[in-house]
Amino acid sequence: DAGVIQSPRHEVTEMGQEVTLRCKPISGHDYLFWYRQTMMRGLELLIYFNNNVPIDDSGMPEDRFSAKMPNASFSTLKIQPSEPRDSAVYFCASSPGGELFFGEGSRLTVL
Amino acid sequence: AQKVTQAQTEISVVEKEDVTLDCVYETRDTTYYLFWYKQPPSGELVFLIRRNSFDEQNEISGRYSWNFQKSTSSFNFTITASQVVDSAVYFCALSERDSGGGADGLTFGKGTHLIIQP
Repeated sequence: DAGVIQSPRHEVTEMGQEVTLRCKPISGHDYLFWYRQTMMRGLELLIYFNNNVPIDDSGMPEDRFSAKMPNASFSTLKIQPSEPRDSAVYFCASSPGGELFFGEGSRLTVL
Repeated sequence: AQKVTQAQTEISVVEKEDVTLDCVYETRDTTYYLFWYKQPPSGELVFLIRRNSFDEQNEISGRYSWNFQKSTSSFNFTITASQVVDSAVYFCALSERDSGGGADGLTFGKGTHLIIQP
């Protein structure tokens, strides 16, 4: 079975640009999570969905961040406009309920 | 509020030594789940174990073992006869069960960087 698939794996952009990160969860998993990893703050939960519905977005840092899950097989995390402090590795994870299965992450660098 | 503390930021041992990674958690829930994940240098997060709050039995999987003690709110991880391939960052995590009963996101500790020297 394919795992969680994230794209792009690496993104370098300039401050002010829009960034869209994509995630395809494991088929059949009802939960989808977006995490951010930085050296300073470690792994932080940004938002999670259950059956495509956002359940908790309290971890989204500010209005520049938005996430959608239009269907069970696709989710996006968008940053607009991006800032250098958004540089991090963004992980998507899915779960059937229980352990989370993580994608390989999208490394974002905002110059 | 839930919290996970991994006080050891970095541990370095020589291959074949045993090593224990500490994890202390805080939660007000009586039902919760504890996890360990491994993050090797390649960056992906690999699930190792999940344990629910009602099961205090220790678990052994090959060279890995886990000691869950509710009395001290700890969920420690021991690697026996460590190998260079065990070098990674290890994260302990906690999930409080929400009313829906499903996964509701994990709170991670800061991680312990384990270095196994040949």
